[in-house]
Amino acid sequence: QQQVKQSPQSLIVQKGGIPIINCAYENTAFDYFPWYQQFPGKGPALLIAIRPDVSEKKEGRFTISFNKSAKQFSLHIMDSQPGDSATYFCAAGRTGGGNKLTFGTGTQLKVEL
Amino acid sequence: NAGVTQTPKFRVLKTGQSMTLLCAQDMNHEYMYWYRQDPGMGLRLIHYSVGEGTTAKGEVPDGYNVSRLKKQNFLLGLESAAPSQTSVYFCASNRGNTGELFFGEGSRLTVL
Repeated sequence: QQQVKQSPQSLIVQKGGIPIINCAYENTAFDYFPWYQQFPGKGPALLIAIRPDVSEKKEGRFTISFNKSAKQFSLHIMDSQPGDSATYFCAAGRTGGGNKLTFGTGTQLKVEL
Repeated sequence: NAGVTQTPKFRVLKTGQSMTLLCAQDMNHEYMYWYRQDPGMGLRLIHYSVGEGTTAKGEVPDGYNVSRLKKQNFLLGLESAAPSQTSVYFCASNRGNTGELFFGEGSRLTVL
């Protein structure tokens, strides 16, 4: 069963555009929601993360919006650059119990000049 | 500082062969994980460990075994490889008090 649903599967935007990737979760016990960025041939790396006590978190050009009642969260990339072209994974986890993460299926983002 | 190192990076097996993937971390992390990554399916947890000498099953454990004899190492074994185990395998580690996972660069396994 897929506990974290991610969309879209792929996304193409122009340089300077604002790609938005959405995720929805089912398990209300989740209390940690990170986004990972993965470049070809590399492992995923943490980009930004949020906990459910806040509705938004910004780090540089990356913003997470969190809607606890809807059980949804999204990643916005402001002023996107070709270097942002990568695969993005949302994830959800529960602190404790092994800190395991359940990942979404990924979004391939391409930022064109 | 190497972080999380996986060996080998590439391997081709025939159906029924066995092999072991090695993960080593130099960050003194308590928790370690093995995930597999398949197109359109994201990363799925195979097994994990919350400390030396402990292991636990994840979402897709069948056909795999693991061992954590030393804190810095986490081994993933395939006793009798099947084509369905063709995948990219990622090891990750975690300090134990935060949610951040640190990943290795992956091991690409092909089973013919």
